[in-house]
Amino acid sequence: DIQMTQSPSSLSASVGDRVTITCRASQSISSYLNWYQQKPGKAPELLIYASSNLQSGVPSRFSGSGSGTDFTLTISSLQPEDFATYYCQQNYNTPYSFGQGTKLEIK
Amino acid sequence: EVQLVESGGGLVQPGGSLRLSCAASGFTFSSYWMSWVRQAPGKGLEWVANIKQDGSEKYYVDSVKGRFTISRDNAKNSLYLQMYSLKAVDAAVYYCARELVRGVMIRDKYSYSYLMDVWGKGTTVTVSS
Repeated sequence: DIQMTQSPSSLSASVGDRVTITCRASQSISSYLNWYQQKPGKAPELLIYASSNLQSGVPSRFSGSGSGTDFTLTISSLQPEDFATYYCQQNYNTPYSFGQGTKLEIK
Repeated sequence: EVQLVESGGGLVQPGGSLRLSCAASGFTFSSYWMSWVRQAPGKGLEWVANIKQDGSEKYYVDSVKGRFTISRDNAKNSLYLQMYSLKAVDAAVYYCARELVRGVMIRDKYSYSYLMDVWGKGTTVTVSS
């Protein structure tokens, strides 16, 4: 099974900051990597699919990159509504797997 | 409005059983793979199982194989998760999610990428004596 590891596990940042979250797969997953945002008490929401494709309705300050085993999610200028937990997820094969999450907090 | 609504969660004793349901509306349910994803209290997301449009293919995470069964009734626009031999570690919020397939170019080759684009609000399963 494919293991997904995110770093950092938590991150403090300020409104307007540029933030990068990293996700690493235990084996090559090509570009079969999605990113989700989850706010407390809510269901996850899809941000990015296939490594770099922005889901419809998601602000353009979110971007993704990477292929193989190493991926990044970048938020170019943090907004107050972006403080949440972010998860990467591989869909290269089943069982699908998620990273452990990165909690983005206000500094 | 595209919507998924889970139900059936509750308190169950260790070793007990529970059946979760997910009612879909606002889209052609029979055209999509569907997944169950869970989240233990204070923990991250864990994919549990998924099922093909016609129910002919089902996949599970190892930790639930032989104990959980995913199924669907396309006539009723409903997804199910039958859970047996429940353990304390199965306690979680259980989400159902629609899997959308998107065609994408990966390394100059047209490929299909699966993503979970619609989620329910979840139903809570508590396993305790």
